[in-house]
Amino acid sequence: DTAVSQTPKYLVTQMGNDKSIKCEQNLGHDTMYWYKQDSKKFLKIMFSYNNKELIINETVPNRFSPKSPDKAHLNLHINSLELGDSAVYFCASSQVRGWYGYTFGSGTRLTVV
Amino acid sequence: GIQVEQSPPDLILQEGANSTLRCNFSDSVNNLQWFHQNPWGQLINLFYIPSGTKQNGRLSATTVATERYSLLYISSSQTTDSGVYFCASVPTGQNFVFGPGTRLSVLP
Repeated sequence: DTAVSQTPKYLVTQMGNDKSIKCEQNLGHDTMYWYKQDSKKFLKIMFSYNNKELIINETVPNRFSPKSPDKAHLNLHINSLELGDSAVYFCASSQVRGWYGYTFGSGTRLTVV
Repeated sequence: GIQVEQSPPDLILQEGANSTLRCNFSDSVNNLQWFHQNPWGQLINLFYIPSGTKQNGRLSATTVATERYSLLYISSSQTTDSGVYFCASVPTGQNFVFGPGTRLSVLP
């Protein structure tokens, strides 16, 4: 029973398209996150979402937007995809922002061509 | 913002060897965690260790918060230990900042 699940696992799309990545957690956590991992394996937080409080990393382009229909879901929507958006995107969740119980999803490899 | 450094950047071990990975952080933190990313890309939480020492099987970790560093010890390494080890710290009131990682290869 997967704790944090992401779909799709792989996503190949053309420049300019709009795409979404879904994330669901069944841990009862109240905070969810999106991370971007680049080709050098560097992990950088994009968003955290806690009980309707959204904290955005200021370096994230506004083409990226998180959408949370409920506490167990945090989807990532990307508009007008660019080549530089190619990366692995990880969803994560925790019980309290930044604290114990941090659990990652298995990642979505996005390739923009 | 806070800077998180890890050393060494790359490490190659023979199976059965021991190793120590280091994480330095530039400012006071109220959380420090170690993660392992296996060769298939999965990120696993190893330790939540804002201070003190913890052990889990062949792995142990020590954080000296006053001196702003943490160490991850791997004993009797196995090929399944290969991957990238990240430390991540949380400055007060902020989100995780990840270090650049230590890439470990354990050879049979």
